[in-house]
Amino acid sequence: QKEVEQDPGPLSVPEGAIVSLNCTYSNSAFQYFMWYRQYSRKGPELLMYTYSSGNKEDGRFTAQVDKSSKYISLFIRDSQPSDSATYLCAMSSRNTGTASKLTFGTGTRLQVTL
Amino acid sequence: GAGVSQSPSNKVTEKGKDVELRCDPISGHTALYWYRQSLGQGLEFLIYFQGNSAPDKSGLPSDRFSAERTGGSVSTLTIQRTQQEDSAVYLCASSLPGRNQPQHFGDGTRLSIL
Repeated sequence: QKEVEQDPGPLSVPEGAIVSLNCTYSNSAFQYFMWYRQYSRKGPELLMYTYSSGNKEDGRFTAQVDKSSKYISLFIRDSQPSDSATYLCAMSSRNTGTASKLTFGTGTRLQVTL
Repeated sequence: GAGVSQSPSNKVTEKGKDVELRCDPISGHTALYWYRQSLGQGLEFLIYFQGNSAPDKSGLPSDRFSAERTGGSVSTLTIQRTQQEDSAVYLCASSLPGRNQPQHFGDGTRLSIL
């Protein structure tokens, strides 16, 4: 079983819809949670960075962390065709010495249609 | 400002050859990470540098893989005697010093072994 599970999709939604992307994890030591967006043939781009449980909002994006359930979510409001990409969740632990290596989900491919 | 720069962007080589991949991090980022992204596998951590030293090499898949960093800046990842299973996108990320700083990625080197 992988440490981080993420539905690969693809997820297809109409323009303007609210999108919900999710990851579950098994390692209770994870305390830092990130969402990256990756366009085809590009590197991952950091969208959201949260610590511990709670919500964080940035424009059309909201990240939620529920440590008790080991479940994180990314919500995209008013989705646009330009949001079509692969979304990767990532997380790290404080207990890794000086390294902060990230453990990634496999990514969810999102397609926003006109 | 300039982001993380990786070269070459694409590399095709024959099985058994050695390859060198280069990463130029964001200026001032003392932490540098290498990851590998294979189809269906997501991103996997390879190695972490703090300055010129590599305190965490735990993700290197075999002794055919090595990496170095000079001057606290540019890093090279070397794969000797390449195998077909080495085909993947190799991504480099850098971050500011300190634990759990956000990591910023380059666009990667797409390596294909014939």
